[in-house]
Amino acid sequence: NAGVTQTPKFQVLKTGQSMTLQCAQDMNHEYMSWYRQDPGMGLRLIHYSVGAGITDQGEVPNGYNVSRSTTEDFPLRLLSAAPSQTSVYFCASRVTGSSLAFFGQGTRLTVV
Amino acid sequence: KQEVTQIPAALSVPEGENLVLNCSFTDSAIYNLQWFRQDPGKGLTSLLLIQSSQREQTSGRLNASLDKSSGRSTLYIAASQPGDSATYLCAGRSGNTGKLIFGQGTTLQVKP
Repeated sequence: NAGVTQTPKFQVLKTGQSMTLQCAQDMNHEYMSWYRQDPGMGLRLIHYSVGAGITDQGEVPNGYNVSRSTTEDFPLRLLSAAPSQTSVYFCASRVTGSSLAFFGQGTRLTVV
Repeated sequence: KQEVTQIPAALSVPEGENLVLNCSFTDSAIYNLQWFRQDPGKGLTSLLLIQSSQREQTSGRLNASLDKSSGRSTLYIAASQPGDSATYLCAGRSGNTGKLIFGQGTTLQVKP
């Protein structure tokens, strides 16, 4: 039972570098989302998708891009990393209409 | 705008105690409320989901209640064990936007 899989688990970037955080789910969930978790601030929604080909912005979308070409995958792209993007990133999925969300193990990103 | 607050931020109790974690939300148009557990360096695991039409949900030693009129939810843990040590987050799903809004979490330590 793979569930929601995120890669990599850890990453260090230099300011200005770009990278893609991968997220894949094998539960055929339509709804997928990306959150960032910072100390004392809980989880904040970055982007979400209600199905293949459809994405929308969350609470803190600046500096991040997403695409959803398949139901299974929802990558998050940092085009030009900044120290403010140092955080733990979580991907989640659920069936549309259900509130039961499944989370990945997270990616700990440090931008120096 | 929905805001979710959890008090206290941290809690330390001896093993065997019954305890209550609090979650408050500002928008009564909440669709449902979910409690999660997060172990250090791990993702989130859903514990209990309470629909807006429900008053409480139970799973083993855990009981969660929801009072929309007062904007409060509580997570009751009976006979706490060291294995319960973790961070507990509540998240309200907005009835207007459908998005999950997270509290900052309560970090629980249960001492043997």
